Amino acid sequence: DAGVTQSPTHLIKTRGQQVTLRCSPKSGHDTVSWYQQALGQGPQFIFQYYEEEERQRGNFPDRFSGHQFPNYSSELNVNALLLGDSALYLCASTPLGEETQYFGPGTRLLVL
Amino acid sequence: SQQGEEDPQALSIQEGENATMNCSYKTSINNLQWYRQNSGRGLVHLILIRSNEREKHSGRLRVTLDTSKKSSSLLITASRAADTASYFCATDLPTDSWGKLQFGAGTQVVVTP
Repeated sequence: DAGVTQSPTHLIKTRGQQVTLRCSPKSGHDTVSWYQQALGQGPQFIFQYYEEEERQRGNFPDRFSGHQFPNYSSELNVNALLLGDSALYLCASTPLGEETQYFGPGTRLLVL
Repeated sequence: SQQGEEDPQALSIQEGENATMNCSYKTSINNLQWYRQNSGRGLVHLILIRSNEREKHSGRLRVTLDTSKKSSSLLITASRAADTASYFCATDLPTDSWGKLQFGAGTQVVVTP
C-alpha cells in the first residue's frame, strides 16, 4: 500500500514566479491537508481539502491556493513567489473523521 | 503563533539512556499528537493522546497529558541511534478546527552510540 506521495521533491524558482506542488493521498484517504515548514520551525497549517472543497484555512495569504481532484489528489499553488516562501511543503492525508494524519516526504522549494 | 512549544530545543544522549521532552500549549484541545521527523523530510506519526486520557504507551514510547497544566511529555526509553530525529507535538483543537494541527518548533534529539 503506497503512502502519501508528493512531487516534485525539490524545486528552485525565482521571485515573482508561480509554482504548483502535487500530492497523492494514501489509498482510501479522502482528506488532504497542506503544511509549510520553514527551516528550524514546526509545520504551519495552510489549508485542508475534502470533497474538492477547501474545508479549513490557516493564516496564509490568497497567493496560496489549492485544488482537490475527484480521485482525492491535490495541488498547492503559490503565486507571486517571495523569498520567504522558501520552505518544505508537506502534504498529509487522512480519512475524514479520523485524527491521525499521514505525511508525505515533502517538496523543498527554494525561491531565489 | 504556534500553539505548542517543546522543551528542550535540543537534547543529546547516549544509546541506552532515556530521553524526555515536554510540550506546552495554550488553548483547550481535542487531542495531542507526537510526530518524528528525520533529516527535514516527512513526519511520522508516533502516538495520539486524547484530552480525556492521562497516559499512553506504544513500544518504547510513553506519553503523558496534563490538561490542567496544558502540558504533555514524551519519554523514549532505552534510546537507540535510530531515534536521532526532531520530535514535534501537535495539538488538534475541538470541533470546527478538527484536523488543523498546530505544531510546536520541535525538540532535536541526538543519540550517540
